[in-house]
Amino acid sequence: TQLLEQSPQFLSIQEGENLTVYCNSSSVFSSLQWYRQEPGEGPVLLVTVVTGGEVKKLKRLTFQFGDARKDSSLHITAAQPGDTGLYLCAGARNYGQNFVFGPGTRLSVLP
Amino acid sequence: NAGVMQNPRHLVRRRGQEARLRCSPMKGHSHVYWYRQLPEEGLKFMVYLQKENIIDESGMPKERFSAEFPKEGPSILRIQQVVRGDSAAYFCASSSKNVGQGISSPLHFGNGTRLTVT
Repeated sequence: TQLLEQSPQFLSIQEGENLTVYCNSSSVFSSLQWYRQEPGEGPVLLVTVVTGGEVKKLKRLTFQFGDARKDSSLHITAAQPGDTGLYLCAGARNYGQNFVFGPGTRLSVLP
Repeated sequence: NAGVMQNPRHLVRRRGQEARLRCSPMKGHSHVYWYRQLPEEGLKFMVYLQKENIIDESGMPKERFSAEFPKEGPSILRIQQVVRGDSAAYFCASSSKNVGQGISSPLHFGNGTRLTVT
């Protein structure tokens, strides 16, 4: 079983549309990160959230950490083809040494 | 991504051979993590090392797989007697300190080694 679940698994939208992807768990995390991975490359960090209820904005991307620190969402406004990629969430648990990764949401933005 | 160097980028081995994957962390980073990724899947944690120490190897298969991070030189992930099921992309990440405690220290990933076992 996955410690972190992500939904949807696949998402294909037109340029200019808005979208939200989700990262959920039954466990509490001390912090959570979002990464984007493009084909043939390693993941690149987008944001780290650490406080329950925290909202962070990165240009057209808005990240939210759930109040209970068990879930997170990523909202993209006016998606562009350059947003295409695999979006991964990763969480660190209080007693853990490592970040565990969700299975990812594969986003395709069509021009 | 450019800071963490992995080589080779592509590695082809026949069943039964050994595979050695190398990772040079970003300058100043003393923590190295290895992850495995199958096509269309996320990253599976394998092992976390600091210089000369294995901190957490809970994700490593019990047999054929080993990892080291010596005082000098890159971290090595070694797979002995490879089988077709070992075919995957193997990613290395580094950080400046334990990210479980130092939450401001993100993981920096290399571009991976794609292992193909024929």
